[in-house]
Amino acid sequence: GQQLNQSPQSMFIQEGEDVSMNCTSSSIFNTWLWYKQDPGEGPVLLIALYKAGELTSNGRLTAQFGITRKDSFLNISASIPSDVGIYFCAGQLGGGADGLTFGKGTHLIIQP
Amino acid sequence: DTGVSQNPRHKITKRGQNVTFRCDPISEHNRLYWYRQTLGQGPEFLTYFQNEAQLEKSRLLSDRFSAERPKGSFSTLEIQRTEQGDSAMYLCASSAGNNSPLHFGNGTRLTVT
Repeated sequence: GQQLNQSPQSMFIQEGEDVSMNCTSSSIFNTWLWYKQDPGEGPVLLIALYKAGELTSNGRLTAQFGITRKDSFLNISASIPSDVGIYFCAGQLGGGADGLTFGKGTHLIIQP
Repeated sequence: DTGVSQNPRHKITKRGQNVTFRCDPISEHNRLYWYRQTLGQGPEFLTYFQNEAQLEKSRLLSDRFSAERPKGSFSTLEIQRTEQGDSAMYLCASSAGNNSPLHFGNGTRLTVT
C-alpha cells in the first residue's frame, strides 16, 4: 500500500520563526491535504491541494502540491504559540477509493 | 455546531466487553469514514460509506468490528469482545463526495483494561 514519509518528526523553534515540513510518497496522489491536530481532538483541515504544482495559502500557511504528485510541503510563517500541535499530511487517490493515507505527523513545539 | 459529532468522547471498558460508538456527520455529506489512531501515529483508514452502502473495508477491520449506516445519516461502529490492542482513538470523518476533503470529528478514545 501507499507509504507517506513525513519529516521532520518534530521541530523545536522560537516564536516568530518560519517553519517548513514536507511529505513524500512512494506513489501518486490526486489530492494532498494538510491537517493540524491538537491533543484530544480530531484533525482539522488546513489546506487542500488538487492540482500538481498548485501553491495555496491560508493566512500564514502556504502549501504546495509537487509536480510529480508524490510530494507536498507546508510552510508556516512567523510562528505563534497557538501553532503548537501535530501537523499531518494526507494523500487522497480520489475516484472510488477515497480514503486518506496519512503521514506520521510533525510535532511542532514553540519555545517562547 | 454543524461539524462532525462523535459520542461518547471517552470509553473505558474491560477486555471481552462489547462497545459501540456513534458518529453524526455533517448533514449534507454523503460519505462517512471511520479511522483509528494510536499514539504517535497518523489516523489509519478502517472503512467508509457512501450513503448507506459500505463500499470499502481495510484489512485492519477484523471480524470483531462492524460498522453500519442504516439510513445514510449517522453511523455506528461496534467492537465485539474487545482486546487491549483495540485501545485507540476512533475518528469519524465525512465528506461531500468524490475528491472532497474529509472533515473529522473529535473522536472517541477507547481504553480497554
